[in-house]
Amino acid sequence: GENVEQHPSTLSVQEGDSAVIKCTYSDSASNYFPWYKQELGKRPQLIIDIRSNVGEKKDQRIAVTLNKTAKHFSLHITETQPEDSAVYFCAASIRGTYKYIFGTGTRLKVLA
Amino acid sequence: SAVISQKPSRDICQRGTSLTIQCQVDSQVTMMFWYRQQPGQSLTLIATANQGSEATYESGFVIDKFPISRPNLTFSTLTVSNMSPEDSSIYLCSVVRSGGSHEQYFGPGTRLTVT
Repeated sequence: GENVEQHPSTLSVQEGDSAVIKCTYSDSASNYFPWYKQELGKRPQLIIDIRSNVGEKKDQRIAVTLNKTAKHFSLHITETQPEDSAVYFCAASIRGTYKYIFGTGTRLKVLA
Repeated sequence: SAVISQKPSRDICQRGTSLTIQCQVDSQVTMMFWYRQQPGQSLTLIATANQGSEATYESGFVIDKFPISRPNLTFSTLTVSNMSPEDSSIYLCSVVRSGGSHEQYFGPGTRLTVT
């Protein structure tokens, strides 16, 4: 069945450094790739997304890249701040539908 | 984004009982989904709540255990039936707004503990 792998599972960076989280998907029909940030005890919040017809998208300090051939997509956070500390989930649409399959999550810690 | 509320926010239930969780949205949405998030884990899709018809369940989830209703475009319920401690999780609804966007927005979740 469809699968999304996410790495690393935990990531610690110094404040001001960059963080990169990588995901690989299996369904060649996936055409939408969102990223969610979940703070402790809170709901997942959509922070950025990318569609299959775009290779890169940027929003201030965060960016997402997509390599359709390799079925990889990545989240890049620059100039990290302590408030970026959270669990980040990638997801991929299933067979072109509105349903998602989620990655396993990355716990990001930004050290002040 | 849509304003999404869930009731209850948390509950502690005894094994063998059932709990119904409500999800209310402030505007009409195209799709509504129910997810489970076990402690420290990712999100797993339980089912798609279809307006006016039976829900569509993912592999590993069945209607007898997780009956779902969606009587209109802004409201859905998920019932967790005959609960066991393994059902202890956070249950979240999500919605896709009308207009063709794929973006999903999540409710605040219901934290269920089964003793």
